[in-house]
Amino acid sequence: AQKVTQAQTEISVVEKEDVTLDCVYETRDTTYYLFWYKQPPSGELVFLIRRNSFDEQNEISGRYSWNFQKSTSSFNFTITASQVVDSAVYFCALKVGFGNEKLTFGTGTRLTIIP
Amino acid sequence: GAVVSQHPSWVICKSGTSVKIECRSLDFQATTMFWYRQFPKQSLMLMATSNEGSKATYEQGVEKDKFLINHASLTLSTLTVTSAHPEDSSFYICSARAGGRTGGDNSPLHFGNGTRLTVT
Repeated sequence: AQKVTQAQTEISVVEKEDVTLDCVYETRDTTYYLFWYKQPPSGELVFLIRRNSFDEQNEISGRYSWNFQKSTSSFNFTITASQVVDSAVYFCALKVGFGNEKLTFGTGTRLTIIP
Repeated sequence: GAVVSQHPSWVICKSGTSVKIECRSLDFQATTMFWYRQFPKQSLMLMATSNEGSKATYEQGVEKDKFLINHASLTLSTLTVTSAHPEDSSFYICSARAGGRTGGDNSPLHFGNGTRLTVT
């Protein structure tokens, strides 16, 4: 069975501070995919990143960066120089194998950026 | 880019009535769509996988007779909550992916805007 743990339920930081959202996953599959989604107050899920289990290279996209560590089964997400618009609930998700589209979501981290 | 449209955005209905939610892929064909449910301040839980032209696959614990899914075309899947009860009040969100069925496809899953259902 798969499991995604986002231990941080809520985080508040002052604008312009950096913040890291933690994600720890569990799976016995060697082929899997990890995702981060952003859910603003409006409710829609916005895709941020997808990473497969064979690619441990960290990624940076503007103020966003992701640190994938297979040794610790973690896929952490860092926002640099946070902005008020970053306020949202962020979900980490896991998909295993090929031909399987089921996403297992973590419980989400509610991030509030204080102006 | 690929867009998934969900309608309605919100609906209020009386207990005992049925509600239909539509999920459309606007600029791509989706042989498979997914229906999730999200309770307030909780995570998304997969309810069922909607397959075009065949029966939906339901997750354990989801009543197939209560949550009817129809995927009649490559761009439309519908979820009907039958005989709704207050405990069915939730945020329902669908997703679809452009491209093939394999997990190796680089296309990300796209989610609709969700439907907030309130049963009174």
